[in-house]
Amino acid sequence: NAGVMQNPRHLVRRRGQEARLRCSPVKGHSHVYWYRQLPEEGLKFMVYLQKENIIDESGMPKERFSAEFPKEGPSILRIQQVVRGDSAAYFCASSPPAGQPNYGYTFGSGTRLTVV
Amino acid sequence: QKEVEQDPGPLSVPEGAIVSLNCTYSNSAFQYFMWYRQYSRKGPELLMYTYSSGNKEDGRFTAQVDKSSKYISLFIRDSQPSDSATYLCAIRWPGNNRLAFGKGNQVVVIP
Repeated sequence: NAGVMQNPRHLVRRRGQEARLRCSPVKGHSHVYWYRQLPEEGLKFMVYLQKENIIDESGMPKERFSAEFPKEGPSILRIQQVVRGDSAAYFCASSPPAGQPNYGYTFGSGTRLTVV
Repeated sequence: QKEVEQDPGPLSVPEGAIVSLNCTYSNSAFQYFMWYRQYSRKGPELLMYTYSSGNKEDGRFTAQVDKSSKYISLFIRDSQPSDSATYLCAIRWPGNNRLAFGKGNQVVVIP
């Protein structure tokens, strides 16, 4: 029973390029969350998605960032025209559908984005 | 005021000591409280989950919630070097699956 799979584990991008981060949730989980972690700042919520729907994007920067969770395939977090300040660890998590016991998220191992 | 506050200071203890970690939260509507453990360069993993006031034990770990004070605690008894990690408290918004996390405490257990 595979957990949350994130790839790539490490991603290096030059300023101005695009970064695409992928997340495959736990099998059977229909809720996906993206968080960003910076040193000394803890985990910051970015976006909460269900299949084909964005439920809460209150933590997403208004520009350059977008997320999707299509009917088929992994969830994608896309960062356009990356800047040095985007360098961080990005974590994806998943949880079961509503109505099923939900004892918190299952996190992936993260993608560490470095912008040079 | 932040949703959840956790003093992020590091903590070093000798092996076998009791580790005590605390968080406060701002909104009395919060009902679900969690502690996550994160090893270096890894994703957080759920350690404890509780939704009521009182204590919950799981082996050497005890989670405590005091809703009247909006205070949550984690105690680790007989600490081991393998407990060395960052511990994050988290609360879940009512009616929403979003979690808000504290900044985390880095714990080092010295053999």
